[in-house]
Amino acid sequence: AQKVTQAQTEISVVEKEDVTLDCVYETRDTTYYLFWYKQPPSGELVFLIRRNSFDEQNEISGRYSWNFQKSTSSFNFTITASQVVDSAVYFCALSEEKGAQKLVFGQGTRLTINP
Amino acid sequence: EAQVTQNPRYLITVTGKKLTVTCSQNMNHEYMSWYRQDPGLGLRQIYYSMNVEVTDKGDVPEGYKVSRKEKRNFPLILESPSPNQTSLYFCASRKTGPVGPQHFGDGTRLSIL
Repeated sequence: AQKVTQAQTEISVVEKEDVTLDCVYETRDTTYYLFWYKQPPSGELVFLIRRNSFDEQNEISGRYSWNFQKSTSSFNFTITASQVVDSAVYFCALSEEKGAQKLVFGQGTRLTINP
Repeated sequence: EAQVTQNPRYLITVTGKKLTVTCSQNMNHEYMSWYRQDPGLGLRQIYYSMNVEVTDKGDVPEGYKVSRKEKRNFPLILESPSPNQTSLYFCASRKTGPVGPQHFGDGTRLSIL
């Protein structure tokens, strides 16, 4: 069965600090997809990134970067030089190829960036 | 503009009074799904639909019904709402094929008194 664990319930940092959000997943499928979503205080869910299991290349998009490591079943998300606008709840999610109808979410990490 | 539209955005109602939350997408997506979000639990799937007239249960289907008579619409029905269904609900859609990101509606906050 697929499972996603975000052990950090809440993180609070001061603006301009770097912060890493952890995501650990479980799956028996060899082909799967990992996602990160952002939920700002306004409540909508914003897609950030998708990574498939065959692509372990790390990705950088501006201040955001993602570290995918199959050996540790982790897909961590780092925000560099954090800003107040990064304050949100962040969700990691997993979808297996064989069970593609299901998207399983982690519990979410509430990130607060203080000025 | 590509979007998933949910209505209503907010609803306060009483136990036992049937309600429907509508969901409509304009992207011609085959796949649609409903989730509920509760503190500390993330989002959990209620029902999903792979195409018109094809629906199936997710992880928490008890107390909910869905229908998919048209490709663009996927309403969520609570026949006899109870307080434990107080939650934030999201509808989502995506294309079938290689698993891509789901597009989410803005959410519906339901309070069942």
